[in-house]
Amino acid sequence: DIVMTQSPDSLAVSLGERATINCKSSQSVLYSSNNKNYLAWYQQKPGQSPKLLIYWASTRESGVPDRFSGSGSGTDFTLTISSLQAEDVAVYYCQQYYSTPTFGQGTRLEIK
Amino acid sequence: QVQLQESGPGLVKPSETLSLTCTVSGGSISSSTYYWGWIRQPPGKGLEWIGSINYSGNTYDNPSLKSRVTISVDMSKNQFSLKLSSVTAADTAVYYCARHPETAMVTLDCWGQGVLVTVSS
Repeated sequence: DIVMTQSPDSLAVSLGERATINCKSSQSVLYSSNNKNYLAWYQQKPGQSPKLLIYWASTRESGVPDRFSGSGSGTDFTLTISSLQAEDVAVYYCQQYYSTPTFGQGTRLEIK
Repeated sequence: QVQLQESGPGLVKPSETLSLTCTVSGGSISSSTYYWGWIRQPPGKGLEWIGSINYSGNTYDNPSLKSRVTISVDMSKNQFSLKLSSVTAADTAVYYCARHPETAMVTLDCWGQGVLVTVSS
């Protein structure tokens, strides 16, 4: 299995400031034949099911605000929220789909 | 838009079989575009992929659970189901159903609300 490790485990950011969450995979999730990274990000608000934010490491799902962006390639990826809003308080998960899907342990994002 | 809703017993005894159903509304489960899957989340923990199925019965499994998992589809009822055998306390979790485009793109773009299943005698 590909192990996904997120950092930090929790993060407190002031409203309007940038939040950055990292995700590292135990092996590359870049598929050389199509040059795509098989990496997605999800947001899970308290008491809710996860919501897909980003796929192919950097493609925003329809309807996701553009303050959310994804970057990275190979084994190292980042989810950035450019200007934190109160409604962004949630746990964020990365997930690889290069092989049998696996998820990171989650990063809890709070307001400072 | 498509909505998914899990249903099934909230309490299962150890060694028995957990059975859940996901009802799809607002769209057809027989769409060739999607696979229909199950994911679980133990209380306070992260997410684990269980497996998925498409309209023709092709499955995409998690090898670590494959020996205990059966996923099936009932197109007449627009439902798909999960059976997990020989459960233990470690199988206590919120179980979600969700869909994804294809086996090469397991991006879960529509989820049910989840159902908590507790394994206890």
